[in-house]
Amino acid sequence: GQNIDQPTEMTATEGAIVQINCTYQTSGFNGLFWYQQHAGEAPTFLSYNVLDGLEEKGRFSSFLSRSKGYSYLLLKELQMKDSASYLCAVFRGSTLGRLYFGRGTQLTVWP
Amino acid sequence: NAGVTQTPKFRVLKTGQSMTLLCAQDMNHEYMYWYRQDPGMGLRLIHYSVGEGTTAKGEVPDGYNVSRLKKQNFLLGLESAAPSQTSVYFCASGRNREVLGEQYFGPGTRLTVT
Repeated sequence: GQNIDQPTEMTATEGAIVQINCTYQTSGFNGLFWYQQHAGEAPTFLSYNVLDGLEEKGRFSSFLSRSKGYSYLLLKELQMKDSASYLCAVFRGSTLGRLYFGRGTQLTVWP
Repeated sequence: NAGVTQTPKFRVLKTGQSMTLLCAQDMNHEYMYWYRQDPGMGLRLIHYSVGEGTTAKGEVPDGYNVSRLKKQNFLLGLESAAPSQTSVYFCASGRNREVLGEQYFGPGTRLTVT
């Protein structure tokens, strides 16, 4: 099976930087994906890592260490609209291409 | 492009009733997925399809059936609804095998079974 762990809740203030961690244990790992989900809405794709290292996309960056089974999502210059749930997901190509989701981290940004 | 659409958006069923949830995508994606999302449980895969005419079981398939008769449509059926199937159901589609983790989600169907 897949064990994907991420904190349940986090809080931060506007303008700050927050790091959301995700650890996983899985076989057949092919990539680590991050999704954002606002309350009452569908998840939307944010970023992914296939190889070790940092991927930067504007205010969002994602890091992966495959040997440690560890990833993080870094959000800079936080804005109120970043209040959402952030879902970590492991992609396993060995099972015809499936995503296995963590339970999500609810981020609240305060003014 | 409409992307991924789902009908209906809301539905209330009585125990034992049946219904079909429809998912449609206009992006010509090969892969389609049905998830359910429950509080504290995250997204769990029910069934998925890797192409027209194919289906496969996911993590929680019991009580559900699916069909993919046309590439753009993926139907999820509940033959005899149970209160445990009260959930938010999301459909998603994926472009191709290399970027399958990048999935596009529909707006969801909120189902309550009483």
